[in-house]
Amino acid sequence: QQQVKQSPQSLIVQKGGISIINCAYENTAFDYFPWYQQFPGKGPALLIAIRPDVSEKKEGRFTISFNKSAKQFSLHIMDSQPGDSATYFCAAKQRALTFGSGTRLQVQP
Amino acid sequence: GAGVSQTPSNKVTEKGKYVELRCDPISGHTALYWYRQSLGQGPEFLIYFQGTGAADDSGLPNDRFFAVRPEGSVSTLKIQRTERGDSAVYLCASSLRLAGYNEQFFGPGTRLTVL
Repeated sequence: QQQVKQSPQSLIVQKGGISIINCAYENTAFDYFPWYQQFPGKGPALLIAIRPDVSEKKEGRFTISFNKSAKQFSLHIMDSQPGDSATYFCAAKQRALTFGSGTRLQVQP
Repeated sequence: GAGVSQTPSNKVTEKGKYVELRCDPISGHTALYWYRQSLGQGPEFLIYFQGTGAADDSGLPNDRFFAVRPEGSVSTLKIQRTERGDSAVYLCASSLRLAGYNEQFFGPGTRLTVL
């Protein structure tokens, strides 16, 4: 049972554009929602995270929007740069993390 | 400071062999997690430790998989009678504590290939 569903599977954005990745979860016991960035050959690295009592969190060019009633959350990357090209995973935490299936982002110069 | 380290970085073995994968967590982190990442997929939880004890091993796929953390620091994931389907990247992560909003820091992973 896939508890965290992520879309799209891949995304191509022009430099300076906005990248949007969406996730939905099922388990209401999740209490922490991080986004991870992964480059080839590397482990995932925390990008930004949100708690379910907050509807939005912004850190620099990265924003998480969280809709508790809909059990959905999304990552927005403003002013996308070629260096942002990577795979992004949403996750939800109860004790361990449950990850989405990933979005491969390509930012074209 | 040093991050989470994993050894070896790559392991090639033959079907039926036994392998051990090692994880050195960040010093002072009491919680340690193992995940498995297949090609093109998100990491999947295997087991986590709080201190020396396995707090939850419900993600281990079968009894060929076992993990230990005898002194509450270094952990070893052990796979017996390896199968081709075990081929994946095995990721280790650690966090300051198990509960609460503590970031999990991931190591670079061990890429296991079973021929």
